[in-house]
Amino acid sequence: ELKVEQNPLFLSMQEGKNYTIYCNYSTTSDRLYWYRQDPGKSLESLFVLLSNGAVKQEGRLMASLDTKARLSTLHITAAVHDLSATYFCAANNAGNNRKLIWGLGTSLAVNP
Amino acid sequence: EAGVAQSPRYKIIEKRQSVAFWCNPISGHATLYWYQQILGQGPKLLIQFQNNGVVDDSQLPKDRFSAERLKGVDSTLKIQPAKLEDSAVYLCASTLGINEQFFGPGTRLTVL
Repeated sequence: ELKVEQNPLFLSMQEGKNYTIYCNYSTTSDRLYWYRQDPGKSLESLFVLLSNGAVKQEGRLMASLDTKARLSTLHITAAVHDLSATYFCAANNAGNNRKLIWGLGTSLAVNP
Repeated sequence: EAGVAQSPRYKIIEKRQSVAFWCNPISGHATLYWYQQILGQGPKLLIQFQNNGVVDDSQLPKDRFSAERLKGVDSTLKIQPAKLEDSAVYLCASTLGINEQFFGPGTRLTVL
């Protein structure tokens, strides 16, 4: 059974600092997704990672995938307050109607 | 391109009452999902439709929850009777093929 674990679950960081959120998954998955959720808002797709070694970047966020280690990372560079949100990773359960299995989310607070 | 539409945005009911939510997916998206998101948690899949057929409803509490997707487009999710623990945000998402899911704004349900 596919399980997805994120860490940390809570992250408080200063503006200008770098940090990484980790997403581990337990069995083979062919797609890894990162979503952002602002308080009281819906989920916004950030990245879709399809293959080993995939790296995608958008602004101050960069996501990567290592399928051998079953690990995806979301790296934040020089954080700004606008990045404060909850970040979810989700892995595609290839064998079960392609259902997405979600992590618990990382609540990020970027402080001045 | 219009996004996923949901209504109502907010609903307050008393326990044992019934409630219905409506979702209109992105045009052309064959797959539609209903999720329940309790505050502080990740989304939990309730039901997945492919066109108007149910693909996965393993986590739908069928004694009180029902969903339908007529003509493979719009969908409704109903709760009857509601319980206090049903207080959550109900998210509808749609996807084309096996790409990322696009989420609607959600319906925030409060059961008193």
